[in-house]
Amino acid sequence: KQEVTQIPAALSVPEGENLVLNCSFTDSAIYNLQWFRQDPGKGLTSLLLIQSSQREQTSGRLNASLDKSSGRSTLYIAASQPGDSATYLCAVRTPGEGNKLVFGAGTILRVKS
Amino acid sequence: EAGVTQFPSHSVIEKGQTVTLRCDPISGHDNLYWYRRVMGKEIKFLLHFVKESKQDESGMPNNRFLAERTGGTYSTLKVQPAELEDSGVYFCASSQAGQGSYEQYFGPGTRLTVT
Repeated sequence: KQEVTQIPAALSVPEGENLVLNCSFTDSAIYNLQWFRQDPGKGLTSLLLIQSSQREQTSGRLNASLDKSSGRSTLYIAASQPGDSATYLCAVRTPGEGNKLVFGAGTILRVKS
Repeated sequence: EAGVTQFPSHSVIEKGQTVTLRCDPISGHDNLYWYRRVMGKEIKFLLHFVKESKQDESGMPNNRFLAERTGGTYSTLKVQPAELEDSGVYFCASSQAGQGSYEQYFGPGTRLTVT
């Protein structure tokens, strides 16, 4: 059974810092991994999708890497801004568990101005 | 292109009452998923439709929950009778046809409070 862990649970940084959010999963046989952002009281916004055959994906100031063999992914946010404050969630899709996404508990990020 | 929409955005009901949540997926998406997040826990999968068929309902907590997707378009999730532990945020997501690779797009969620 796939389990996803995100570290740290919460992070507070000053504006302008580069930061890394971590995600680990127990079953490395994944289809893909998605990073989401959730603002308070809002839905999930998909940030990046990495297929199992890929090593990284980039979108603007965001870069997500995937090391399938070690069961890890990182989300790198460059030059953080107060508008980046949100909860960041990672989720994986695993062949042995149908098409469902298995989510981590999330990292609550606060970027201080 | 419209995203995934959910109705209502909030619902407050008393224990023992019935509530029906609705999800409209992105047009043309055959796959539709329901998830929920209860207080302090991770988002958990409930079930998956492919068109009008239930592909996987392994996450449905008990028989008080009934999901339908008539005609393979919108879906409803009915909770009857509601219990206190059903409180949480219910998310719907959709993805294109096929398996494995396709990105799931989430709706804004329905916040359900059972008092």
